[in-house]
Amino acid sequence: AQTVTQSQPEMSVQEAETVTLSCTYDTSESDYYLFWYKQPPSRQMILVIRQEAYKQQNATENRFSVNFQKAAKSFSLKISDSQLGDAAMYFCAYRRGHDMRFGAGTRLTVKP
Amino acid sequence: DSGVTQTPKHLITATGQRVTLRCSPRSGDLSVYWYQQSLDQGLQFLIQYYNGEERAKGNILERFSAQQFPDLHSELNLSSLELGDSALYFCASSVGQGARLTEAFFGQGTRLTVV
Repeated sequence: AQTVTQSQPEMSVQEAETVTLSCTYDTSESDYYLFWYKQPPSRQMILVIRQEAYKQQNATENRFSVNFQKAAKSFSLKISDSQLGDAAMYFCAYRRGHDMRFGAGTRLTVKP
Repeated sequence: DSGVTQTPKHLITATGQRVTLRCSPRSGDLSVYWYQQSLDQGLQFLIQYYNGEERAKGNILERFSAQQFPDLHSELNLSSLELGDSALYFCASSVGQGARLTEAFFGQGTRLTVV
């Protein structure tokens, strides 16, 4: 079974600074999707960014960008100009077809 | 608003009881996932349905069961409840089929408390 590993249980960043959250995954497939979800204190799961494995270009959504290294099976999330509202749990997810798996999450604290 | 509706939002029940959690997917989404999230834990995949058929099963207990109806809404049944079943239960839906299933959209979850 595919596994998703987030090796940083907790991270902190100063407001306006940049932080990178790490994610690695294990798969033998070549066509799949990767996602980052955010879960604020409200517990709602919010999609942050999506990456298709067949696309070499890294996805970007405003202040959020990813560094997708397919050969290394690495998918990190970079948050630029961090804001207080970015404080949340961040989950990395892998999906191929009906199989969708999540990492254990990284709790991000933003310091004012 | 993700378009995925879960009811009820909160549920408090006693040990040994049975409850049913309901999920209405986004309009047009054929795939429904159920996840369990205990306090400060990650998401544990329970089960997935696609167009009424079970397609994938995770670490779902035998006391738990689910189904997806012809109108595509889904229900998760939890029976003989134990204190450890207290958690946030998420439903998620997505569109597409085969390898082209894309992102999942989550409901707001049902918070189950077993006392």
